[in-house]
Amino acid sequence: DIQMTQSPSTLSASVGDRVTITCRASQSIDNWLAWYQQKPGKTPKLLIYKASSLESGVPSRFSGSGSGTEFTLTISSLQPDDFATYYCQQYNSYSRTFGQGTKVDIK
Amino acid sequence: QVQLVESGGGLVKPGGSLRLSCAASGFTFSDYYMSWIRQAPGKGLEWVSYISSGGSNIYYADSVKGRFTTSRDNAKNSLYLQLNSLRAEDTAVYYCVRGYSGIRQWGQGTLVTVSS
Repeated sequence: DIQMTQSPSTLSASVGDRVTITCRASQSIDNWLAWYQQKPGKTPKLLIYKASSLESGVPSRFSGSGSGTEFTLTISSLQPDDFATYYCQQYNSYSRTFGQGTKVDIK
Repeated sequence: QVQLVESGGGLVKPGGSLRLSCAASGFTFSDYYMSWIRQAPGKGLEWVSYISSGGSNIYYADSVKGRFTTSRDNAKNSLYLQLNSLRAEDTAVYYCVRGYSGIRQWGQGTLVTVSS
């Protein structure tokens, strides 16, 4: 199975900061990658699909990039509503795997 | 609107069994792949299984292969997950979700606790 590794595991940031989360795949997944945001007690919310396509209704401060084995999720200017845990997920192979998550908390 | 409602979770002893159900509404169920995703308390997300729209293609994570069985009944708009030989590490909230790529629709989840 394809392994997905996110970094960092935890990120402390302030409102207005530019935040970047990295996700690495153990083998090429082309651009078959999604990003999710999850808040405590809630189900995950799809932010980005196909590595860089913004899901409808998601603010434009979120963006995704990358292909092959290295991907990034960028929040251009962190807002109070963005403090949450973020997951990447590949859907290239027969298997489906998530990264271990990145918690973005208040500095 | 799309609704996915899971049921069947609960407390079970190690080695025991449980059957989860997911009632789907608000879309043409038979057109969609469906999946089960789980999340252990305080932990990350794990894809457990997916099933094709007709039920002929099924994937299982290595961690559940041989113990869990996914099925569906398109006439009843329902998805099922049979959990056998349960272990403590299977304790999690189990989510029924529509699709098997980027997931837009999630059920509210049902908690399975495996403990003696």
